[in-house]
Amino acid sequence: EAQVTQNPRYLITVTGKKLTVTCSQNMNHEYMSWYRQDPGLGLRQIYYSMNVEVTDKGDVPEGYKVSRKEKRNFPLILESPSPNQTSLYFCASSSGDELWETQYFGPGTRLLVL
Amino acid sequence: GQNIDQPTEMTATEGAIVQINCTYQTSGFNGLFWYQQHAGEAPTFLSYNVLDGLEEKGRFSSFLSRSKGYSYLLLKELQMKDSASYLCAVNSNSGYALNFGKGTSLLVTP
Repeated sequence: EAQVTQNPRYLITVTGKKLTVTCSQNMNHEYMSWYRQDPGLGLRQIYYSMNVEVTDKGDVPEGYKVSRKEKRNFPLILESPSPNQTSLYFCASSSGDELWETQYFGPGTRLLVL
Repeated sequence: GQNIDQPTEMTATEGAIVQINCTYQTSGFNGLFWYQQHAGEAPTFLSYNVLDGLEEKGRFSSFLSRSKGYSYLLLKELQMKDSASYLCAVNSNSGYALNFGKGTSLLVTP
């Protein structure tokens, strides 16, 4: 089954404790992206990757890092989480063959930073 | 910057038709997407428009006017399960990044 998976699905942590949210897709997609979703603000892009070893900043990259060492995985790293990073996070991927190709979203990771 | 506007909330009756509007002002345009998102779940793709006109897919249709920076999503024969948030998103550059509106929360009542 074609899918995007994220782990963990739920996470409670404390300020300053480094964490990683993993994202994996089994569709051999080139393009992957991370979004955060907050009430009243909608989905905002954090980082995206056009291919292996190619990453770029989205609209709200501050406080986040990403890496793309292999095609299927695109982890999101919070080196020193702060309460304003409490949010719902979505990973997405698409094939990149055509602009009209839709992005497939993972199930989401709900993060609470205390 | 990118500006994508849609109404915050709408209410409609089961069996009726509802139109959700989206206006956009972006630095470029490579297509407009509509997604459906149920509470606590991931967005799912509904439609894509890149040329002017109407795209029909079953009970859902989407319209685009590039000259007006305007799109709408039309939902016919509303069902209770259509209660969800509807997200308008624009691909505004040559990459694959999507800029999303804040979403329209649709409530379908009996």
